[in-house]
Amino acid sequence: DADVTQTPRNRITKTGKRIMLECSQTKGHDRMYWYRQDPGLGLRLIYYSFDVKDINKGEISDGYSVSRQAQAKFSLSLESAIPNQTALYFCATSPAGGIRDEQFFGPGTRLTVL
Amino acid sequence: KQEVTQIPAALSVPEGENLVLNCSFTDSAIYNLQWFRQDPGKGLTSLLLIQSSQREQTSGRLNASLDKSSGRSTLYIAASQPGDSATYLCAVFTSGTYKYIFGTGTRLKVLA
Repeated sequence: DADVTQTPRNRITKTGKRIMLECSQTKGHDRMYWYRQDPGLGLRLIYYSFDVKDINKGEISDGYSVSRQAQAKFSLSLESAIPNQTALYFCATSPAGGIRDEQFFGPGTRLTVL
Repeated sequence: KQEVTQIPAALSVPEGENLVLNCSFTDSAIYNLQWFRQDPGKGLTSLLLIQSSQREQTSGRLNASLDKSSGRSTLYIAASQPGDSATYLCAVFTSGTYKYIFGTGTRLKVLA
């Protein structure tokens, strides 16, 4: 089984709809991240969480919200989706502390907003 | 503000060739640098992570080097194979920010 899973893998929705992307991990990591990837722009950080009670905005948090329901679960919500939120969304985890901070990524969710 | 650049954006090479992918960054105060591989429509797989105190890391046919003072890292792939075809991303973890900044990647195609 994959260590970091994302649901759904693909989603097509309409402008104005609320949508939630979910991420679960079995790696036991405290830190979790949400990124979006757009052609030519690389990955950009939306939100990150160092533990259940510690949630922080990334570079491009406007239009998004998150919920850290448990150590293993981190959800990303689009309250009112718009077409420029069409992108590939990735969840990632990393262990807390130490020097490595190696990141482990989920398979991604391809979101299309019409 | 940290900026990460990868050149070239795309590269095609014949099978068996040794090749170098480049990553440059503007702020040398980094915590570590990580190289990833991304296959079409899929997530990112970590290849190598170099801590700021290290000069290089090796894994199989891959060797990544880091020169913090010049703001550069290279990923060397020896004896390339068609299975190496993918997009390669570098990401820099800048000190004091607790987050990675990603380059836009180099799309590699190894021709059989």
